[in-house]
Amino acid sequence: KAGVTQTPRYLIKTRGQQVTLSCSPISGHRSVSWYQQTPGQGLQFLFEYFSETQRNKGNFPGRFSGRQFSNSRSEMNVSTLELGDSALYLCASSPGTYNSPLHFGNGTRLTVT
Amino acid sequence: SQQGEEDPQALSIQEGENATMNCSYKTSINNLQWYRQNSGRGLVHLILIRSNEREKHSGRLRVTLDTSKKSSSLLITASRAADTASYFCATGPGGGADGLTFGKGTHLIIQP
Repeated sequence: KAGVTQTPRYLIKTRGQQVTLSCSPISGHRSVSWYQQTPGQGLQFLFEYFSETQRNKGNFPGRFSGRQFSNSRSEMNVSTLELGDSALYLCASSPGTYNSPLHFGNGTRLTVT
Repeated sequence: SQQGEEDPQALSIQEGENATMNCSYKTSINNLQWYRQNSGRGLVHLILIRSNEREKHSGRLRVTLDTSKKSSSLLITASRAADTASYFCATGPGGGADGLTFGKGTHLIIQP
């Protein structure tokens, strides 16, 4: 089974721009979660989608949004980028059932200049 | 906010030795999970222990959970160079919903 695929692997953007990151989950997984990882704040939960519906959202501003398509692929969008948005963005998929572990992609490294 | 806090923040041992990492958390949990992250890459799930379990084994890994002390430990026996990575504990219901709360991690270095 193919793992979780995130594209692009690296991204450099300018402050004020917007960016879209993509995640393809493991086949059969209906839940996709997004996490932001920075040296200062560590790993922080952004949001989770299950069957195209956002089930939960972390404590991030509205500039961070996401969606999930009918094939479970997910995209994350960040508008009006700020320098502090520079981070490794990780996507994780799971069957979405209680107590099921997460399977992470290798992330998208976003640098905002 | 970070619920899990790993201890120590960094650990350097010789290959073949055992490595022990600890995790403390603040609120009640349904399960606790351990993940490994190699530099700049995604996290790999190692083991999940439910709140009604006290100990779990997987290969060279042994995890304990003490809900009365709100703490967990991860023991890696007979360490190998390939075990060099950051290790995170995470708490939550699992399955994605509500999100996992991760600690800051323990950076483990195995010296040959």
